[in-house]
Amino acid sequence: KAGVTQTPRYLIKTRGQQVTLSCSPISGHRSVSWYQQTPGQGLQFLFEYFSETQRNKGNFPGRFSGRQFSNSRSEMNVSTLELGDSALYLCASSLAQRGGLNTGELFFGEGSRLTVL
Amino acid sequence: SQQGEEDPQALSIQEGENATMNCSYKTSINNLQWYRQNSGRGLVHLILIRSNEREKHSGRLRVTLDTSKKSSSLLITASRAADTASYFCATDRDDKIIFGKGTRLHILP
Repeated sequence: KAGVTQTPRYLIKTRGQQVTLSCSPISGHRSVSWYQQTPGQGLQFLFEYFSETQRNKGNFPGRFSGRQFSNSRSEMNVSTLELGDSALYLCASSLAQRGGLNTGELFFGEGSRLTVL
Repeated sequence: SQQGEEDPQALSIQEGENATMNCSYKTSINNLQWYRQNSGRGLVHLILIRSNEREKHSGRLRVTLDTSKKSSSLLITASRAADTASYFCATDRDDKIIFGKGTRLHILP
């Protein structure tokens, strides 16, 4: 079974631009979560999608958005990029359990490393 | 905001020794998980322990959970060079899985 696939793996943008990152979950997984990882803040929860609906959101500005498609693939978008958005963006998929509560094992992709100049 | 805090932040030990990492958290949990991350890569799930469990084993890994102290520990026995990585605890809060800042483990040859 193929793992979680994230594209692109690396990208460089300049301030003010926007970026779209893609995540293909493990087949059969309906939940996709996104995290931002930086040296200073560690792993910060961005949002989680389940069956095309955003189920949870972290404390990030509205410049960060996402969506999930009917095949469970997910994208996240960051608009008006700032230097501080440079980070490793990680996507994780999981099986929803117990009526939809996502408290089980997460399967991570290798991440998309974004550098903002 | 972080839910879990790992301790120590960094740890260097000789190959073959045991490594112990600790995690403290703030609110009640349903379960606690440990993950490993090799430099710049994605996280890999190691073990999940439920709130009604006190100890769990998986190969060379042993995890304990003390809900009265809101703490967990991860023990890696007979460490190997391949165990060099960052280790994170993760807890569920408000239906989200929240990670600590991790312990960087370095195994010396």
